[in-house]
Amino acid sequence: AQKVTQAQTEISVVEKEDVTLDCVYETRDTTYYLFWYKQPPSGELVFLIRRNSFDEQNEISGRYSWNFQKSTSSFNFTITASQVVDSAVYFCALSDDLSGYALNFGKGTSLLVTP
Amino acid sequence: GAGVSQTPSNKVTEKGKYVELRCDPISGHTALYWYRQSLGQGPEFLIYFQGTGAADDSGLPNDRFFAVRPEGSVSTLKIQRTERGDSAVYLCASSLTAGPNTGELFFGEGSRLTVL
Repeated sequence: AQKVTQAQTEISVVEKEDVTLDCVYETRDTTYYLFWYKQPPSGELVFLIRRNSFDEQNEISGRYSWNFQKSTSSFNFTITASQVVDSAVYFCALSDDLSGYALNFGKGTSLLVTP
Repeated sequence: GAGVSQTPSNKVTEKGKYVELRCDPISGHTALYWYRQSLGQGPEFLIYFQGTGAADDSGLPNDRFFAVRPEGSVSTLKIQRTERGDSAVYLCASSLTAGPNTGELFFGEGSRLTVL
């Protein structure tokens, strides 16, 4: 069975601070996909990144970066120089190769960035 | 608009009533997904359509829940004899292809269902 754990329920930072959101996953599959989604107050889930299990390269996109480590089953997300607009709930999710987009989501981490 | 459209955005009903929630996916997307998100939780997978057929309905909680996609585009999630525990935001999503190896999953803003 697949499982995603986001241990941090809520994080509060001051603008311009760096913040890391943790994600730990469990799966027996050798081929799987990891995702991060952002859910602003409007409610619509916004795709941030997809990573497959064979690609352990870290990725950077602007102020966002992701650290994928299979050895610790973690896929952590760092926001550098946080901004108020980053305030949202962030979800980590997992899928196997056969389930399409039947994603297993974590419970989410609510990030509040204050001026 | 060009995104996934869901109606109604809010629905309040009484326990025991029948409810229909509609999803209009992005044009040309063959795969359509329904998720349910309870307060303070992550989305929970319900059912997935590839074209007109339900490819995976393993997430439907019981036989009161049913979904259709008769022409391979618009989908309707139907809930019979609603219970207070059905209260949640029901999210619809679509993707160009079936799997995460290609393409991105696009979500709608959801239909908030409240059962009194």
